[in-house]
Amino acid sequence: EDQVTQSPEALRLQEGESSSLNCSYTVSGLRGLFWYRQDPGKGPEFLFTLYSAGEEKEKERLKATLTKKESFLHITAPKPEDSATYLCAVQARRDDKIIFGKGTRLHILP
Amino acid sequence: DAGVTQSPTHLIKTRGQHVTLRCSPISGHKSVSWYQQVLGQGPQFIFQYYEKEERGRGNFPDRFSARQFPNYSSELNVNALLLGDSALYLCASSRSGTETQYFGPGTRLLVL
Repeated sequence: EDQVTQSPEALRLQEGESSSLNCSYTVSGLRGLFWYRQDPGKGPEFLFTLYSAGEEKEKERLKATLTKKESFLHITAPKPEDSATYLCAVQARRDDKIIFGKGTRLHILP
Repeated sequence: DAGVTQSPTHLIKTRGQHVTLRCSPISGHKSVSWYQQVLGQGPQFIFQYYEKEERGRGNFPDRFSARQFPNYSSELNVNALLLGDSALYLCASSRSGTETQYFGPGTRLLVL
């Protein structure tokens, strides 16, 4: 069964304190792995798509990496405006369905 | 360019009623997917449509149905509403269904 597990469930950091969010996945044939940011009551905002192990992508203070079993979202020197829920999702080649994890709630303290 | 739009933004219904949610994809996108997100959980896949054909269906009862129109907009219909149908309903569009999906702001449905 395809599955996505994100950890930790919640994370509180001081402004400037770098950290990483984890996304572990099992899928029969990965088409793509996606990271989204979601603010309360709003739709997810696209961040990155990763397609193969070893791939990395960066955007401002965020960097996403991918291995055959997991992905990391690294946050460098975060600011309070980075506070949000970060969602990881995988798409299987078999049926193109997208499966989301439950997300990591990130809170950056000023 | 406009992003994915959804209407209405909020909706309150009572048990047993029917609801229709609407979605307009990004211009040039031919695939629309629907998700249900309950508080504290990730979005759960309901349907995907591409070129007006259903391409995938999640584990939801037959009370849930959808369709896609020639202009690629889409409707999600839910019959015989239950309290457990209260959630944020998200629409996402992509060019072909196998690429990155972009989400709309969602419709918040409350069933009383």
